[in-house]
Amino acid sequence: GQQVMQIPQYQHVQEGEDFTTYCNSSTTLSNIQWYKQRPGGHPVFLIQLVKSGEVKKQKRLTFQFGEAKKNSSLHITATQTTDVGTYFCAGYQEGTALIFGKGTTLSVSS
Amino acid sequence: SAVISQKPSRDICQRGTSLTIQCQVDSQVTMMFWYRQQPGQSLTLIATANQGSEATYESGFVIDKFPISRPNLTFSTLTVSNMSPEDSSIYLCSVEVGWGGTTNEKLFFGSGTQLSVL
Repeated sequence: GQQVMQIPQYQHVQEGEDFTTYCNSSTTLSNIQWYKQRPGGHPVFLIQLVKSGEVKKQKRLTFQFGEAKKNSSLHITATQTTDVGTYFCAGYQEGTALIFGKGTTLSVSS
Repeated sequence: SAVISQKPSRDICQRGTSLTIQCQVDSQVTMMFWYRQQPGQSLTLIATANQGSEATYESGFVIDKFPISRPNLTFSTLTVSNMSPEDSSIYLCSVEVGWGGTTNEKLFFGSGTQLSVL
């Protein structure tokens, strides 16, 4: 069946270091979304990427969608303690429900 | 955007009992979704609830175990029936909010119900 793989599962960084999480789909996606879930909270929508090769930025966060629309990445520059949480990618294939990756849990020490 | 009120926020239940989770949205929405998130895991879609029709269940989830109601465009309930410890999880409702275009909409989530079954 359709799968969305996400790595790494966990990542610990020192404050100020960069962080990247990667998402790969077994099938071509019509679009991909990213969500952040703070500890004890619920997922909150961050962004959606639709076009092949698309790159979007939100302050220190950079999101990319691969040329083949099968992979995506989220890069955080100079992490802060407020960045802690679990980052999920979620992809749509035509005619299907949103499929979530397993998430990458980021911890940041100051 | 959408504001979703979900309750209860948490409950501890005995094996064999049932729990009904309620989800209220501040605007009318066509589809509501129910997800399960087991500890440290991702979100798994249980079912999609449309107003006026039976819910559509994903593989591995059945109506007898997770009956859903959708009486109007702002409200839905999910019941976890005949619970066992394996049902201990966080249950989340969500709605789609669109941009009015052809691309898929983003999801807004309720705050979740943390269920523990003893």
